[in-house]
Amino acid sequence: DADVTQTPRNRITKTGKRIMLECSQTKGHDRMYWYRQDPGLGLQLIYYSFDVKDINKGEISDGYSVSRQAQAKFSLSLESAIPNQTALYFCATSDLNEQFFGPGTRLTVL
Amino acid sequence: QQQVKQSPQSLIVQKGGISIINCAYENTAFDYFPWYQQFPGKGPALLIAIRPDVSEKKEGRFTISFNKSAKQFSLHIMDSQPGDSATYFCAASGGTSYGKLTFGQGTILTVHP
Repeated sequence: DADVTQTPRNRITKTGKRIMLECSQTKGHDRMYWYRQDPGLGLQLIYYSFDVKDINKGEISDGYSVSRQAQAKFSLSLESAIPNQTALYFCATSDLNEQFFGPGTRLTVL
Repeated sequence: QQQVKQSPQSLIVQKGGISIINCAYENTAFDYFPWYQQFPGKGPALLIAIRPDVSEKKEGRFTISFNKSAKQFSLHIMDSQPGDSATYFCAASGGTSYGKLTFGQGTILTVHP
């Protein structure tokens, strides 16, 4: 079984809809992250959490929110999706330095 | 503000050749410099990493060269193989960014047989 799982893997939604992306990990790491990947822009940090009670904004948090339900679970929400949020989204976990990424969720907002 | 700049955006190399990808950073507090490799449909995975106390680190065909004074580091792939075709990201962390990675823009590497 994969150490970091993301659901759904693909999602098409409409402008204005609320959508949640979920991430689960079995690595036992305290730190979890949400990134967005766009061609030519690399990976941009949306939110990160160093433990269950710690939530921090990243570089591009506007329009996004997160919830850390447990050590193993970290979800990303788009309250009102817009087309420029169409991207590939990755969840990651880490212990100290190395980050372990999930397989990604491809989100399309029409 | 892009704190890590990566070049080139894309690179085509013949099998057996050397692939070189460069990164430059601005934050002098950075003290951890990893490279990640991403295959289509997969998440990035750590390839090799270096700290500024050494100028070079080699793992198999992959070498990181680090120049602290120039604030630059590069990935060299020797004897490049078609299986190395992937997207490569440099990253950096440290100082007030401890525990967070700032990524470069990525390089799409294609190795022709």
